[in-house]
Amino acid sequence: AQSVTQLDSHVSVSEGTPVLLRCNYSSSYSPSLFWYVQHPNKGLQLLLKYTSAATLVKGINGFEAEFKKSETSFHLTKPSAHMSDAAEYFCVVSDLWGGGADGLTFGKGTHLIIQP
Amino acid sequence: EPEVTQTPSHQVTQMGQEVILRCVPISNHLYFYWYRQILGQKVEFLVSFYNNEISEKSEIFDDQFSVERPDGSNFTLKIRSTKLEDSAMYFCASSEEGMIRSIQYFGAGTRLSVL
Repeated sequence: AQSVTQLDSHVSVSEGTPVLLRCNYSSSYSPSLFWYVQHPNKGLQLLLKYTSAATLVKGINGFEAEFKKSETSFHLTKPSAHMSDAAEYFCVVSDLWGGGADGLTFGKGTHLIIQP
Repeated sequence: EPEVTQTPSHQVTQMGQEVILRCVPISNHLYFYWYRQILGQKVEFLVSFYNNEISEKSEIFDDQFSVERPDGSNFTLKIRSTKLEDSAMYFCASSEEGMIRSIQYFGAGTRLSVL
């Protein structure tokens, strides 16, 4: 069965400093991995996805993530945080053999706080 | 940009009552989903729907739940007799394809409070 662990429930950084949101996954087969962001009172928005192409994936708003199979990680990074990045971030896995068919498996989320 | 819309944004109901949560998926999408997130817990998959029938459902999706696409635009989740533990945020999503690598687009959610 597939699973996702987001290692930090809250991350606080200062504006202009780098962001690192950590995610580890467990998958019995070749997974697809996603990062979604949720701003208050908004829907879940896709930031980026990995689907077995390049291991370094670039997304919207300057975010990127690197798929590391040996570490089963898919950490999200951004070189310089902006106040508008404050939101809840979800790491998500989809696995052909995950048992949920088309259903996605979510991590618990990381709340990103940006200090002025 | 096309988006998935959900109504209402907040629904309050009494235990034992029936509720219907509504979703309008993106117009050219063919696959539809419901997820829920109990406060403080993970977002959990409930059900996927394609070609007017359920294609997959989780163990959470028991007999008190049902889904329907009553017309060409709406996709609904019905909870027949609500329980306190049904209180959660419910998210609708849609995708063009059903393959694992397709992108699911989510609505803003409906917060269901069962009293």
